[in-house]
Amino acid sequence: KAGVTQTPRYLIKTRGQQVTLSCSPISGHRSVSWYQQTPGQGLQFLFEYFSETQRNKGNFPGRFSGRQFSNSRSEMNVSTLELGDSALYLCASSNDGREGTEAFFGQGTRLTVV
Amino acid sequence: TQLLEQSPQFLSIQEGENLTVYCNSSSVFSSLQWYRQEPGEGPVLLVTVVTGGEVKKLKRLTFQFGDARKDSSLHITAAQPGDTGLYLCAGGGPHTGNQFYFGTGTSLTVIP
Repeated sequence: KAGVTQTPRYLIKTRGQQVTLSCSPISGHRSVSWYQQTPGQGLQFLFEYFSETQRNKGNFPGRFSGRQFSNSRSEMNVSTLELGDSALYLCASSNDGREGTEAFFGQGTRLTVV
Repeated sequence: TQLLEQSPQFLSIQEGENLTVYCNSSSVFSSLQWYRQEPGEGPVLLVTVVTGGEVKKLKRLTFQFGDARKDSSLHITAAQPGDTGLYLCAGGGPHTGNQFYFGTGTSLTVIP
């Protein structure tokens, strides 16, 4: 069974630009969550999509958005990039939202904003 | 707000030694997961515990969930260089779907 696939692995963007990251969950999983990981803040929850609907949202500005398609693949978009957006962006795939559901992470996308 | 505090933050030990990592919170969680992450990679799930007082063993790793489901520990016996990595605990609450609150992380280095 294939794992969680994130593309691209690495990305360099300039301040003010926008970026789109992609995540393909494990086959059969309907939930996709996005996290931002930085050395100072650790892993911070961005949002979760379940069956194409945003179910939970973290405390990030509106520049961060996402969506999920009918095949459960998800994208997240960051507009008007800032230097502080440089981070490892991680996608997690889960079967559903019941208690104890396990989350499986992709390898992440390393975004560098210059 | 960091809901989960891990200690120690850094740990450097010799191969063969034992160690314990702690994950503490003032919040109650429905489940708690432990991950290991290597540089530039995503976290890899090690275990999930859901019952207060639950103990799970995974070869040389022993995981315990506190009775009140607010804290957890990870004990490694006879550490090996392959255990080196960042250990993360993550709590899942009721009615929060797949939103997990991650701990601050413990960076473990096992010296051959």
